[in-house]
Amino acid sequence: EDQVTQSPEALRLQEGESSSLNCSYTVSGLRGLFWYRQDPGKGPEFLFTLYSAGEEKEKERLKATLTKKESFLHITAPKPEDSATYLCAVQPNQAGTALIFGKGTTLSVSS
Amino acid sequence: NAGVTQTPKFRILKIGQSMTLQCTQDMNHNYMYWYRQDPGMGLKLIYYSVGAGITDKGEVPNGYNVSRSTTEDFPLRLELAAPSQTSVYFCASSYDFGQGWGKNQPQHFGDGTRLSIL
Repeated sequence: EDQVTQSPEALRLQEGESSSLNCSYTVSGLRGLFWYRQDPGKGPEFLFTLYSAGEEKEKERLKATLTKKESFLHITAPKPEDSATYLCAVQPNQAGTALIFGKGTTLSVSS
Repeated sequence: NAGVTQTPKFRILKIGQSMTLQCTQDMNHNYMYWYRQDPGMGLKLIYYSVGAGITDKGEVPNGYNVSRSTTEDFPLRLELAAPSQTSVYFCASSYDFGQGWGKNQPQHFGDGTRLSIL
């Protein structure tokens, strides 16, 4: 069964304290792995797409990496405005384009 | 840039009532989707459409219906509302070249409809 597991469920950091979020996946062929940011009361906002093991993408303080079994979202020197829920989703390489989402990691960054 | 627009933002229904959640996108995307998000759970796919006139079931379709008469619009209908349908509903769209063709494009989401059924 295709599934996505994110850890930790919640993470509290001090401003400037770097850390990583994990997304482990089991899928019958990976078409793409997606990271989204979701603020309270809002829809998911697209961050990155990763297609193959070894690929990395960066945007400001965020860096996403991909292996054959998991993806990491590294947050370097976070700021309070990085506080949000981060969602990971995979798209299996089969008919249809459904994304399978993890439950998310809620990040809180305090100053 | 409007992107994906959902209406209404909030709604309270009584058990057994029906309603339609509206979704429209202005990005000329061919694929559109409906998800529901329950507290502490990942988003679950209800229905999706690969183009006007074509729809298919997702993981949790029971109790819902959809139609896609235009590229822009993808309404979701609840016929007999039940408490289990209390959730936040998100519509999304993407441009997809089809399986095996090109790299997959990300799905873009609306800000959701918060639905309570009492």
